[in-house]
Amino acid sequence: NAGVTQTPKFQVLKTGQSMTLQCAQDMNHNSMYWYRQDPGMGLRLIYYSASEGTTDKGEVPNGYNVSRLNKREFSLRLESAAPSQTSVYFCASSEFETSGIYEQYFGPGTRLTVT
Amino acid sequence: AQSVAQPEDQVNVAEGNPLTVKCTYSVSGNPYLFWYVQYPNRGLQFLLKYITGDNLVKGSYGFEAEFNKSQTSFHLKKPSALVSDSALYFCAVREMGSTLGRLYFGRGTQLTVWP
Repeated sequence: NAGVTQTPKFQVLKTGQSMTLQCAQDMNHNSMYWYRQDPGMGLRLIYYSASEGTTDKGEVPNGYNVSRLNKREFSLRLESAAPSQTSVYFCASSEFETSGIYEQYFGPGTRLTVT
Repeated sequence: AQSVAQPEDQVNVAEGNPLTVKCTYSVSGNPYLFWYVQYPNRGLQFLLKYITGDNLVKGSYGFEAEFNKSQTSFHLKKPSALVSDSALYFCAVREMGSTLGRLYFGRGTQLTVWP
């Protein structure tokens, strides 16, 4: 039981390049989330998927797109990377909230630098 | 709008002494409150949550938190700190009835426990 896994762990991009961050969970959770963590700002929600087949914007969605590929996988895409997207990205998952309020389980993160 | 404030960027405490990490929240209705811990280069780990009921919530690793509705606070406590408790602690809130999955995090408090 690996929990939430993310790839890659580290990435350096040049401005304008694109990339996809991958996330998978093996806990049979319905809900998945993407956050970014910046120093002194805590975690901010980029996008989330309450259940397979649905996605919604969070606090800071501009410059990102997501795909809920199946119940296990939720990817985050940067179409044209900008230096302002330099951050640590975390994926998380949880049970579907209509049946209760559940904690979120986090992956180890992807450290992205855009030059 | 929902928000969380962690008024202290850093808390320093000697091993064996009690520790408190402060959190205040702002929601227009009833809150769901969470504490997470982040060790260096790791994802966030869930510590405890308040949904309803007893104002004193017990969690992992000997931590507990006290919900105070009149002061809109949810402070994290531990009776006797360990050096291994040194980490970054995040408080998070969401409002009962709000959009699924929308957690709002504080900026984090760095706890250092010295031997």
